[in-house]
Amino acid sequence: RKEVEQDPGPFNVPEGATVAFNCTYSNSASQSFFWYRQDCRKEPKLLMSVYSSGNEDGRFTAQLNRASQYISLLIRDSKLSDSATYLCVDLNTGTASKLTFGTGTRLQVTL
Amino acid sequence: NAGVTQTPKFRVLKTGQSMTLLCAQDMNHEYMYWYRQDPGMGLRLIHYSVGEGTTAKGEVPDGYNVSRLKKQNFLLGLESAAPSQTSVYFCASSWGGGELFFGEGSRLTVL
Repeated sequence: RKEVEQDPGPFNVPEGATVAFNCTYSNSASQSFFWYRQDCRKEPKLLMSVYSSGNEDGRFTAQLNRASQYISLLIRDSKLSDSATYLCVDLNTGTASKLTFGTGTRLQVTL
Repeated sequence: NAGVTQTPKFRVLKTGQSMTLLCAQDMNHEYMYWYRQDPGMGLRLIHYSVGEGTTAKGEVPDGYNVSRLKKQNFLLGLESAAPSQTSVYFCASSWGGGELFFGEGSRLTVL
């Protein structure tokens, strides 16, 4: 089983829609999680951290469910510019701060 | 402010040839990483370094070597390139937390 698993999509949604992605992780000892965004043929960039209490940044909300070992990303009022691949990331601080990346979920926002 | 710079950005090799990818960061980060990204596989860690003069193996180290003689530079070497090493290579650096700063990537094709 992969350490971090994501639905590859693509998720095709109209502009203005709300869309949610889930990501499951296998290491119950993992403490820190993140969402990265990667545009086509570009490098990944940090979108937001995921805290146990939830984390909101504008139209984006990230949540962590430790009991079920998944994290989620909710995007409200989708924009065309949100079209990208969203990578779920597990930070394993017990092994020299190695980040484990999911394979990503592709989002395509259309008019 | 350059951030993380990778060279070269594109390279085509023949099977058996050798090459070195150079990564340079100007943020004084202790941690540096080399990832490869392949379709459907996500980002996979090749080697990483937690400081000048140190290196360690990641998830897929076979066929690669690295060196970190200076804090700001992290070199990835392919001694005898194979078609299976055709990929996009990303270098990244960090303070050790969840925010990695990536270079723009190096696209390598091995014929």
